[in-house]
Formats: sequence, structure tokens, C-alpha cells
Amino acid sequence: NAGVTQTPKFQVLKTGQSMTLQCAQDMNHNSMYWYRQDPGMGLRLIYYSASEGTTDKGEVPNGYNVSRLNKREFSLRLESAAPSQTSVYFCASRSTGTGNTIYFGEGSWLTVV
Amino acid sequence: GNSVTQMEGPVTLSEEAFLTINCTYTATGYPSLFWYVQYPGEGLQLLLKATKADDKGSNKGFEATYRKETTSFHLEKGSVQVSDSAVYFCALGISSGSARQLTFGSGTQLTVLP
Repeated sequence: NAGVTQTPKFQVLKTGQSMTLQCAQDMNHNSMYWYRQDPGMGLRLIYYSASEGTTDKGEVPNGYNVSRLNKREFSLRLESAAPSQTSVYFCASRSTGTGNTIYFGEGSWLTVV
Repeated sequence: GNSVTQMEGPVTLSEEAFLTINCTYTATGYPSLFWYVQYPGEGLQLLLKATKADDKGSNKGFEATYRKETTSFHLEKGSVQVSDSAVYFCALGISSGSARQLTFGSGTQLTVLP
């Protein structure tokens, strides 16, 4: 039962470097999400994708880009990393039908120095 | 806009104590309400949910009732265990277009001592 899988789990970047966080789900969900988690602030939505081929900005999209490569995969890219992007990033996907439960990956710990 | 306000933590309890974590919300429309739990080093897991007023969500001894009149969804457990130590997040879900978005509270750290 893989569910939502994120890679890498840990990453250290230098300011200005770029990187892509990968996410894949095997539950045939249409909607996928990227959140960041910072101490005392809960989770904040960066971008989401309601279906394959569509993406929309969330609460804190600046400094990020996303790609919904296919129904399974939704990647998050930092083009020029900044220390303010040090955070824990969670990918999630949502079931359809009764309850609309959102399932989360295990998180990616990113440090920008 | 939509928002969730949770009881500030951290909360420290002895094993078998009664737990309440307060959660109130502000939302337009008719949200669904959720409690998620995050164990150390892990992602969030859905603990329970309620989709309409007066619904009670329950799981693993935890309960929460959707109170529209007080815009609240307080989490309770009658007797906590050490294994319940985690961060608990209250969240509301609203459909935006064809996608449902979750708005989270800031989280409450619970530590249960033996």
C-alpha cells in the first residue's frame, strides 16, 4: 500500500540552487496538492491540481512552480532556493466520492543555507 | 476567508487523563471538518471527520462533534495513552471549483507521560 510517495525525504540546498520535489500517488486520485509546514503555522497550501493538465495557486505560491506530469505525478520545483523556503513539504492527494479524504505523503525536509 | 483556530500547545497529560483540544472555525459555505494526527517524523494521517452539522466523527477512542451554532469541532478522548503523543491538526475542507482545499489550524502538540 504505497499511497502517496515523495522524494527526496531530506535535502540541503545552497541559496540560489534549484531542485524538484517528486510526488506520486497510486490511488487513481484526480486532485493533488503541495503544502509546506512551518512551526506554529500549520500547513499552508502552495499549489494544487484538480485534475491532470491543470494547476492552480494556493496560499503561498511565490518562489515555486509545479507540473502535473500525468494523473499519478505532481512535482514541485524551486527555481532559485531561498532560506525562507526552509520547511517541511507535504504532497497530498484526494479521493473522490464519499468523504473526499485527503491522503498525505511522509514529507520532505528541505533546508536552504 | 476561511480559517481555523486551535488551542495553543503544548499540552502535557498523564496517562489515562481526559483530553480536550479546542478548535473553532470561520468559513463561508458548508465545510467538512477534520482532525489529522502527525506522529514524529511522519506525514499527517486522517484521525476523524464530520461532513455536516451535528455529525460526530470518531476513531481510536477520539471523538469530535460538528457544532454549527458555536462553529466548533473540539477533539476529545476519555483516557489518553502514551502512544497518543503527537501533533494534532484541526482542518476544514471547502470545495473550490473542482478541487477541495484544506485549511489547517496551527497544530497542538500533545505529550502523554506514563
